[in-house]
Amino acid sequence: EAGVAQSPRYKIIEKRQSVAFWCNPISGHATLYWYQQILGQGPKLLIQFQNNGVVDDSQLPKDRFSAERLKGVDSTLKIQPAKLEDSAVYLCASSSGAGSNYGYTFGSGTRLTVV
Amino acid sequence: KQEVTQIPAALSVPEGENLVLNCSFTDSAIYNLQWFRQDPGKGLTSLLLIQSSQREQTSGRLNASLDKSSGRSTLYIAASQPGDSATYLCAVKSSGSRLTFGEGTQLTVNP
Repeated sequence: EAGVAQSPRYKIIEKRQSVAFWCNPISGHATLYWYQQILGQGPKLLIQFQNNGVVDDSQLPKDRFSAERLKGVDSTLKIQPAKLEDSAVYLCASSSGAGSNYGYTFGSGTRLTVV
Repeated sequence: KQEVTQIPAALSVPEGENLVLNCSFTDSAIYNLQWFRQDPGKGLTSLLLIQSSQREQTSGRLNASLDKSSGRSTLYIAASQPGDSATYLCAVKSSGSRLTFGEGTQLTVNP
């Protein structure tokens, strides 16, 4: 099966600019996650979707970050305006379910550098 | 709040050595535990998934164990190879299906 697709792979922007990332999960996977991984740390969950509804966005900085998953398939994550501390790898993952039997499949990530 | 700790943070071994990576978590009420591998500049590759009712899982030279009551998991790598060099991440799935990660162990296997 095809994996989780993410684009772009790399992005460099100046602070206060806007940026958007795109994720296409594995076909049929109902659950989609966005994670932020700062260099040297483990990934941190930003938002979880079940189909096109938000399940958990408690760690999403809502003053500058937004995400949507239209039609329960692709998802976009936006940062507006970006800060220096947003420099990180943004990982998208999908799962066929949210229960205990389901593992996660991650995409290759988008590496964001804010200068 | 679930917290996951991985020890050591970095490990360097000669090729052929058997090694153990450690993971501990504070809340034993987990659904499952997953070990991932991350190569520099790449995403995460799932290695092993252990359900809360299981004690261990094996895949090739990898063996992962889970002791839920003590909040510990180990990843055993047999006969290590230079191609095993990567960062290994442990993650636990708790209530609400959130996956909480440790900070990883950076492994270097020297030829």
